[in-house]
Amino acid sequence: KNEVEQSPQNLTAQEGEFITINCSYSVGISALHWLQQHPGGGIVSLFMLSSGKKKHGRLIATINIQEKHSSLHITASHPRDSAVYICAVNTGNQFYFGTGTSLTVIP
Amino acid sequence: DVKVTQSSRYLVKRTGEKVFLECVQDMDHENMFWYRQDPGLGLRLIYFSYDVKMKEKGDIPEGYSVSREKKERFSLILESASTNQTSMYLCASRQTGVGFGYTFGSGTRLTVV
Repeated sequence: KNEVEQSPQNLTAQEGEFITINCSYSVGISALHWLQQHPGGGIVSLFMLSSGKKKHGRLIATINIQEKHSSLHITASHPRDSAVYICAVNTGNQFYFGTGTSLTVIP
Repeated sequence: DVKVTQSSRYLVKRTGEKVFLECVQDMDHENMFWYRQDPGLGLRLIYFSYDVKMKEKGDIPEGYSVSREKKERFSLILESASTNQTSMYLCASRQTGVGFGYTFGSGTRLTVV
């Protein structure tokens, strides 16, 4: 049983397309995180949110606490957005991770 | 710029060797973590530490041990490396408290031959 489920697992998009990655979780959380991992392994934190919506550049993250669901949107996608996107939730001091969504944006 | 530094990006070791993976953070974070990441399995917690000289087992501690002698340094030890420990290893740290995010190192890709 996975506490965090992501979809899709793999996603290929044409440059310029609008992209959505979904995350559902089954535990009560204090915050949800979206992480980005580029080829080579390094992980960076994109967003941490506990309600509503956050925007940073072309990235938008939303969360619906009642439905236990979050989405990560990328507008006007670009090849440099190609990466693995990981959803993680924390409950107090415990973190649970999704298995990631591998995004490839083709020029 | 805050950082978590892992000592090696790529490592190749022989079966049976003792392997040390080092992680250092400069943010004075209390909590440090070691994860391994495998295709289709995501990030799995090996061990974590919430204070100097304290350690707790994660989901997959078998075959690993850790050491935290100083607050900034958290070492992962493979006592006798095996081929099923070939993986990407990621160190992370975070401040104690609800809502604080992780800062990750850049990872060590370990191959055991």
